[in-house]
Amino acid sequence: EPEVTQTPSHQVTQMGQEVILRCVPISNHLYFYWYRQILGQKVEFLVSFYNNEISEKSEIFDDQFSVERPDGSNFTLKIRSTKLEDSAMYFCAITQGARSTDTQYFGPGTRLTVL
Amino acid sequence: AQKVTQAQTEISVVEKEDVTLDCVYETRDTTYYLFWYKQPPSGELVFLIRRNSFDEQNEISGRYSWNFQKSTSSFNFTITASQVVDSAVYFCALSEARANNLFFGTGTRLTVIP
Repeated sequence: EPEVTQTPSHQVTQMGQEVILRCVPISNHLYFYWYRQILGQKVEFLVSFYNNEISEKSEIFDDQFSVERPDGSNFTLKIRSTKLEDSAMYFCAITQGARSTDTQYFGPGTRLTVL
Repeated sequence: AQKVTQAQTEISVVEKEDVTLDCVYETRDTTYYLFWYKQPPSGELVFLIRRNSFDEQNEISGRYSWNFQKSTSSFNFTITASQVVDSAVYFCALSEARANNLFFGTGTRLTVIP
């Protein structure tokens, strides 16, 4: 099973502030994903990223969200102006193989708390 | 549109009992993939099993077994001789060949009582 880490493990921020969540896969991967899980609810897809481009995004992934791989290693999710309802666990996922339909493995998550 | 239904919100069993977690899915695609993930109290999502739509063979892995039935659009998960460490939220998920995102069910919280 491929390893992926996420930093920070917990982020507390004030409403309106920008946050950047980081995902660091241990080895090279082609497909990257972000999901979120509001406390006690199901896991929801945000965005997929392939070959330095967004492959798909959900309705949740609006203009306040952006993703990039600035150095070819870290995969980041930026939330420009956080809202209270952005409080959630954010999971990064990667696939081990070269196909988009390969199994997704999740990082440990970043808990974002917006005050 | 795709849909995953986990009708059991919470289940409690006594240790060593068997338990089955139900998952019913909907998709218009003929090629799709089904998954189970475990979310223990620590919060991470742990991959358990993957099934392709063209492979209806059931699978057993230790105390875990999965029953995939296309005729009823179900992908049920059975834990035999449950243990306290099995206590977690279990999510069933679906992805379609034309879209690579996972669509999750609402999860079933399993509590195994010692």
